Amino acid sequence: SQQGEEDPQALSIQEGENATMNCSYKTSINNLQWYRQNSGRGLVHLILIRSNEREKHSGRLRVTLDTSKKSSSLLITASRAADTASYFCATRGGGNKLTFGTGTQLKVEL
Amino acid sequence: EPEVTQTPSHQVTQMGQEVILRCVPISNHLYFYWYRQILGQKVEFLVSFYNNEISEKSEIFDDQFSVERPDGSNFTLKIRSTKLEDSAMYFCASSDEGHIHFGPGTRLTVL
Repeated sequence: SQQGEEDPQALSIQEGENATMNCSYKTSINNLQWYRQNSGRGLVHLILIRSNEREKHSGRLRVTLDTSKKSSSLLITASRAADTASYFCATRGGGNKLTFGTGTQLKVEL
Repeated sequence: EPEVTQTPSHQVTQMGQEVILRCVPISNHLYFYWYRQILGQKVEFLVSFYNNEISEKSEIFDDQFSVERPDGSNFTLKIRSTKLEDSAMYFCASSDEGHIHFGPGTRLTVL
């Protein structure tokens, strides 16, 4: 498997429910970042968690990082239709480049 | 909040033609990047640029590609002789030591 694999690949939930997306990676990292991409549009940075952090919150977003398992999760609480998008994790290692995962397509239905 | 900007938003070109994609990174950032995303696929790293030179590049970034920072504000990606498979969304990005800010992308269509 590749650096930055997300699961599930697709997730469909009802508005108001929570959405959880998981990301696994292979090499050591300095930080891990989550991005959102609406269809055919640019990448919007959501949250960054450093390798020495275990949990971080931003509004309705909660990110966890487990470096021993090389995994991260993104939780979106009380989802809205506007949260419908693709979500990518991206890891930053010793260099400065980001390596993106395969993404989770989230659909929030009314 | 400052943003990375890219021009044009959409570029259509004929196979074999040269294209230049332009970007204006955030002004106090020191690291610059190009990424691409073929339709329906993941975002792929092309190249990073720091201190007026390439710091890292991927296997995708072959001799057909080049980057330049011609002045203090612009950062360009040139594809010398485009191929059909170069059709993709190209994202410019810049960063300080924190998170990487992406531009809105240029959609390149090679016919």
